[in-house]
Amino acid sequence: NAGVMQNPRHLVRRRGQEARLRCSPMKGHSHVYWYRQLPEEGLKFMVYLQKENIIDESGMPKERFSAEFPKEGPSILRIQQVVRGDSAAYFCASSPRQGPTDTQYFGPGTRLTVL
Amino acid sequence: GQNIDQPTEMTATEGAIVQINCTYQTSGFNGLFWYQQHAGEAPTFLSYNVLDGLEEKGRFSSFLSRSKGYSYLLLKELQMKDSASYLCAVRGSSGGYQKVTFGTGTKLQVIP
Repeated sequence: NAGVMQNPRHLVRRRGQEARLRCSPMKGHSHVYWYRQLPEEGLKFMVYLQKENIIDESGMPKERFSAEFPKEGPSILRIQQVVRGDSAAYFCASSPRQGPTDTQYFGPGTRLTVL
Repeated sequence: GQNIDQPTEMTATEGAIVQINCTYQTSGFNGLFWYQQHAGEAPTFLSYNVLDGLEEKGRFSSFLSRSKGYSYLLLKELQMKDSASYLCAVRGSSGGYQKVTFGTGTKLQVIP
């Protein structure tokens, strides 16, 4: 059973470009969460999605950031017109449900560097 | 909202025991998780507590007291590879669903 997959693992962008980060949840998981982590800091929640629905985007900046989880295919976190402050590790996690015992399992992350 | 507090850093000696504490405040508490994160890697799940008491899993144990809003992770027979950050995460009612919120993590350094 493959784990959570993320690609690319490393992404370099120049200021003003767009970054697209992909996340394929574990098989059978329909809940996806995106987190951002700056060096030496904790995980910051960004957005929680179920298939075709955004459930909670309270942690995602209103400008330039968007997320989707289509019926078919991976979840995408999109950052438009990137700035140096967007440089961070972006982790995706998935869970089968939102039940009391459901654990989030993390992908390996995408390290975004903005030049 | 949810508030989680854990020490920023700890140092312990190889072969010893270390206890990492976590205190939390949340509404509608519905479980507490511990994750391990090595530098540059993804968090990996260690343990889950929803009832009071101690859960043991090999060298690692996790304790929960819901009335005190308190948990600890106990690591026995420390090994160098245990050097990592340990994240406490709490599930509680927020935004209309059971949201998991992560603490900032405790960076543990194991020394010879």
